[in-house]
Amino acid sequence: NAGVTQTPKFQVLKTGQSMTLQCAQDMNHNSMYWYRQDPGMGLRLIYYSASEGTTDKGEVPNGYNVSRLNKREFSLRLESAAPSQTSVYFCASTKNLLRNQPQHFGDGTRLSIL
Amino acid sequence: AQTVTQSQPEMSVQEAETVTLSCTYDTSESDYYLFWYKQPPSRQMILVIRQEAYKQQNATENRFSVNFQKAAKSFSLKISDSQLGDAAMYFCASTNTGNQFYFGTGTSLTVIP
Repeated sequence: NAGVTQTPKFQVLKTGQSMTLQCAQDMNHNSMYWYRQDPGMGLRLIYYSASEGTTDKGEVPNGYNVSRLNKREFSLRLESAAPSQTSVYFCASTKNLLRNQPQHFGDGTRLSIL
Repeated sequence: AQTVTQSQPEMSVQEAETVTLSCTYDTSESDYYLFWYKQPPSRQMILVIRQEAYKQQNATENRFSVNFQKAAKSFSLKISDSQLGDAAMYFCASTNTGNQFYFGTGTSLTVIP
């Protein structure tokens, strides 16, 4: 049981390049999330998908787009990478909309923009 | 939006001793949930404990327990009999009716042998 799988684990981009971060979960969860983690800032929500076919903006959506490809997969795209997007990105999922369900996290993607 | 505040960027504890990590939150909702997550150097986020706001009894999971003070909007984590494997970054988090999670900035815990 892999849980939440993120690819790639590391990536270096040049300013202006585009990139898609992939996330897949095998727990039959309905809700999926993308966060970024920066030193001293904790985790900040970029986008989330409450259920298949829906996506919503989180706290810091600018510069990103998402696609909920199917129930399992939720991708995050940087169309034109900027140095300010250098961060560690985490994908997470929860079983359903009940708020007592904890989030399950992937191992993170360390992204550096030069 | 909700806010979650962890005022201790770093904490240390002697092995086998007890340590308490602080967390305060701000919400206008009456029904919400609170969590503590652990992030070791491997970066994996691991759920430590959760608390339903409507429950007065403090949650406990083995050596981990919380002190939930609803009126004060405080949600501290107590780690008893600290072990070397407890060394990690700890994040406090809360949820709202919009299915979003809000995280604090984290507390880095060092366990001294």
